[in-house]
Amino acid sequence: EPEVTQTPSHQVTQMGQEVILRCVPISNHLYFYWYRQILGQKVEFLVSFYNNEISEKSEIFDDQFSVERPDGSNFTLKIRSTKLEDSAMYFCANPGHITDPDTQYFGPGTRLTVL
Amino acid sequence: GESVGLHLPTLSVQEGDNSIINCAYSNSASDYFIWYKQESGKGPQFIIDIRSNMDKRQGQRVTVLLNKTVKHLSLQIAATQPGDSAVYFCAERGSQGNLIFGKGTKLSVKP
Repeated sequence: EPEVTQTPSHQVTQMGQEVILRCVPISNHLYFYWYRQILGQKVEFLVSFYNNEISEKSEIFDDQFSVERPDGSNFTLKIRSTKLEDSAMYFCANPGHITDPDTQYFGPGTRLTVL
Repeated sequence: GESVGLHLPTLSVQEGDNSIINCAYSNSASDYFIWYKQESGKGPQFIIDIRSNMDKRQGQRVTVLLNKTVKHLSLQIAATQPGDSAVYFCAERGSQGNLIFGKGTKLSVKP
C-alpha cells in the first residue's frame, strides 16, 4: 500500500496558539485531502487540494484553517488560533494511483490535544 | 442529503468464523464506495472498494457486496482472525470528491 507520512505524531498546544501539521503525500499526485476524527467519532472531511489550490472545503474548515504546499512536496494544515474543540486526530490522504483519484490512502495521523 | 451509516456499532465473532459488517447509504447517486479498517491509534487502512456498476468485488479474504436497490453495502471477512479486530468504516464518495464516512463498527474476534 502506498505510504503517506505525517508529523508530528502528537502535538499538544495551549488554546489560542497556532499549530502546523505536516504531511508528505504519495509523490507525483495532484489530489490531496485533510480529514479529522474526534475521539470515538467518524472521520470528517476538512478540505481537498488539487493542483496547488483548494478544491473543496467543508463547513468545519473555517477561517482559522489554512492549507499550504510550501516546498512543492510537503503539505501543511495550519490552525491559527486553536480551540478546545479542535482536539482530534488529523489525517492527510491522497490517491495512490495518479489515474484513480477515488482510492484514498491515509497517513498515520497527528493527534492534536488543545489544553 | 448525503449520509452513510452503519447498522451495528459492535460485532463479536469467534476466530475462524465469517464476519459480515453492514452499511446503509442514503444518496442513490453515489457511484463509489470504500471500506477502511482502523486499528487503535492508527489511520484508516484501505481494504477494498467498489463502483456502482458492480454488485460484488472480492479481495483476499474480503468481499464487498453492493445492493443499489436498497442502498446497502456489506463487507464480508472470511475466516476471521484476531488481527482483524478493529473498527471498520464504510465511506462513499461525496459530490465534492471527498469521502463521507459512516460511524464505524467495532469488530472483536474471540480466540
